[in-house]
Amino acid sequence: GAVVSQHPSRVICKSGTSVKIECRSLDFQATTMFWYRQFPKQSLMLMATSNEGSKATYEQGVEKDKFLINHASLTLSTLTVTSAHPEDSSFYICSAIGQLIPLNTEAFFGQGTRLTVV
Amino acid sequence: DAKTTQPNSMESNEEEPVHLPCNHSTISGTDYIHWYRQLPSQGPEYVIHGLTSNVNNRMASLAIAEDRKSSTLILHRATLRDAAVYYCIPISGGSNYKLTFGKGTLLTVNP
Repeated sequence: GAVVSQHPSRVICKSGTSVKIECRSLDFQATTMFWYRQFPKQSLMLMATSNEGSKATYEQGVEKDKFLINHASLTLSTLTVTSAHPEDSSFYICSAIGQLIPLNTEAFFGQGTRLTVV
Repeated sequence: DAKTTQPNSMESNEEEPVHLPCNHSTISGTDYIHWYRQLPSQGPEYVIHGLTSNVNNRMASLAIAEDRKSSTLILHRATLRDAAVYYCIPISGGSNYKLTFGKGTLLTVNP
């Protein structure tokens, strides 16, 4: 099946620095990518939806200036956590779909990135 | 988005069938019903999806009620590797397409 690769799998950064997480679709063109964060023992919370070549659509309550999303190509989307603080520590997950009419198709997920801000 | 209701947790024994219910009474006529699962410390993975008819694949079966207000994911023979959180997600199309997760059902499989 299709593969979505997310990198890095784990990252520790100092408070105040920025961290970039990459999400790549390895064998298909991802027309739409989703970014989620997940706190321990909670469900995935959708942060934003990005379509290739256009600005991301952020969910209510998610700061677009803090969580920068770039979907510059059909195989790559990046999430940059700017000026990270300990409360940003979380499990970040990306997802990609490869069709313009995605109802009848599955989404593929990255393996997640565990971010720890110290 | 259609609201979903799933049991917080369920338990099964290995090699036995498991029926995971989901209530989605506010589903619209064109929403597909998708199921995903998440193993510990991993990203979710696709299980199955359907619209009106029951569906089968190598992982599971999906039984959709005639009024589409509920569905049941069926694992025919649970294994320890099936221990995960299972999410039922009705998905709308067009510009409103989103993959939004509810709380899901934590399935424990006993050896």
